[in-house]
Amino acid sequence: EVQLVQSGAEVKKPGESLKISCKGSGYSFTSYWIGWVRQMPGKGLEWMGIIYPGDSDTRYSPSFQGQVTISADKSISTAYLQWSSLKASDTAMYYCARRKRGGYGDYVDYWGQGTLVTVSS
Amino acid sequence: DIQMTQSPSSLSASVGDRVTITCQASQDISNYLNWYQQKPGKAPKLLIYDASNLETGVPSRFSGSGSGTDFTFTISSLQPEDIATYYCQQYDNLQYSFGQGTKLEIK
Repeated sequence: EVQLVQSGAEVKKPGESLKISCKGSGYSFTSYWIGWVRQMPGKGLEWMGIIYPGDSDTRYSPSFQGQVTISADKSISTAYLQWSSLKASDTAMYYCARRKRGGYGDYVDYWGQGTLVTVSS
Repeated sequence: DIQMTQSPSSLSASVGDRVTITCQASQDISNYLNWYQQKPGKAPKLLIYDASNLETGVPSRFSGSGSGTDFTFTISSLQPEDIATYYCQQYDNLQYSFGQGTKLEIK
C-alpha cells in the first residue's frame, strides 16, 4: 500500500528555522517525483515545488523560489521542506504529494496527511 | 507562469441539481488540466485528469471537458457527499498551478 506519512504539527516563533518531512512507503521512492503544496488557513491550494528523489532534481514554483528549500534523502525514503527563517505568513497546512506521470496524465495520485505549521510570537 | 482563473468561488445547489464549474488558463494548456475534490480537513482527491478522463473509482456523475484555455467540470446530479471544495490544476513541464477553488454547498 502506497503511503506518504508526514511529520507532526509544529509551533514556531518568527525567525526560527524548520524542516518538515514526508516518508514514502509501499513503492519505489526514487522513481516518483514528490511535490509540496501549501494551504493557508481558509484558503486554496498553492503548488510550491517538486523533487525527484532519484537524483534530487528540484523545481520550484516562482512564488516559492528562494523562500523554502526542498530536499530528499533516498536512503530513508524521505522528502523534506525547510525554512531558514519563518514568518507569520508561513502559517499553513503543508501537504506532500506523489506525482504520477504515465502514458496519460500528470497528476497527484497520493497525498500525505498534511503538517500544520503555526508561526506565532 | 500559467495562471488559472476558476469560477464561481462558491456555489449553492440542491440535491439532484446539475452543477458546473469553469476554469480558464492564462495561455493554451492543451488538455493538461486536472480536477480535484477536497473535503474539510482532508487532503485533495483526484477526480478528472487530462481534462476529461475520469479517475478509476470516481462516480460517473463527475465529468470534465475543454481544451486550450477553457475548461468545464460538471456534476450531473449533486449528491450530499459531494459537498467539498473543487480545484482545477494545470501542468506544464513540472510546473503546476491551481485555480482558486470553488466551495460547493447544499441549498
